Amino acid sequence: DADVTQTPRNRITKTGKRIMLECSQTKGHDRMYWYRQDPGLGLRLIYYSFDVKDINKGEISDGYSVSRQAQAKFSLSLESAIPNQTALYFCATSDGGLGRTEAFFGQGTRLTVV
Amino acid sequence: AQSVTQLGSHVSVSEGALVLLRCNYSSSVPPYLFWYVQYPNQGLQLLLKYTTGATLVKGINGFEAEFKKSETSFHLTKPSAHMSDAAEYFCAVSDQGGSEKLVFGKGTKLTVNP
Repeated sequence: DADVTQTPRNRITKTGKRIMLECSQTKGHDRMYWYRQDPGLGLRLIYYSFDVKDINKGEISDGYSVSRQAQAKFSLSLESAIPNQTALYFCATSDGGLGRTEAFFGQGTRLTVV
Repeated sequence: AQSVTQLGSHVSVSEGALVLLRCNYSSSVPPYLFWYVQYPNQGLQLLLKYTTGATLVKGINGFEAEFKKSETSFHLTKPSAHMSDAAEYFCAVSDQGGSEKLVFGKGTKLTVNP
């Protein structure tokens, strides 16, 4: 089984719908992250969490919210999806600051908003 | 603020040829530098990282990178490309404060021709 599991892997949703992307990890790491990948733009940080009670906005948090249900689970929600949120979304974990330790990524969720 | 520039969004090489993927960074403080690889339909995984010490860093799968402060560069090389190296490669930079902020480049897609 993968260390970082994302569900669903693919999702098509309509504009205005609420959608939740889920992430679970078996690494035992405290830090979890949500990134968005767009072609030609690289990865951009949406939200990150140091533990269940510590959640922080990243560089592109508008239109998104998160929930850290447990050390191992970190969900990303789009309250009212819009087409420009069509992207590949990655969850990641680390055992320390991302700036100095390795990040472990899930396989990604491809979201299409029509 | 830190930034990363990857020269060339697409690089194509023949099997057995040298692989050179270019990365230049901008940072007002000593950087930590990373290369991540994304194979098709997978998440990112760490290839190698530079923190302090030796400026030539060796990673997995025969890749290495050299930190050149005077040129603000961290280019990735491999002497002989293999078909399995076909993937997208991301350079990333953070500051040595160990922050959560890891800034990714836009990525370089490597194609290996038989």
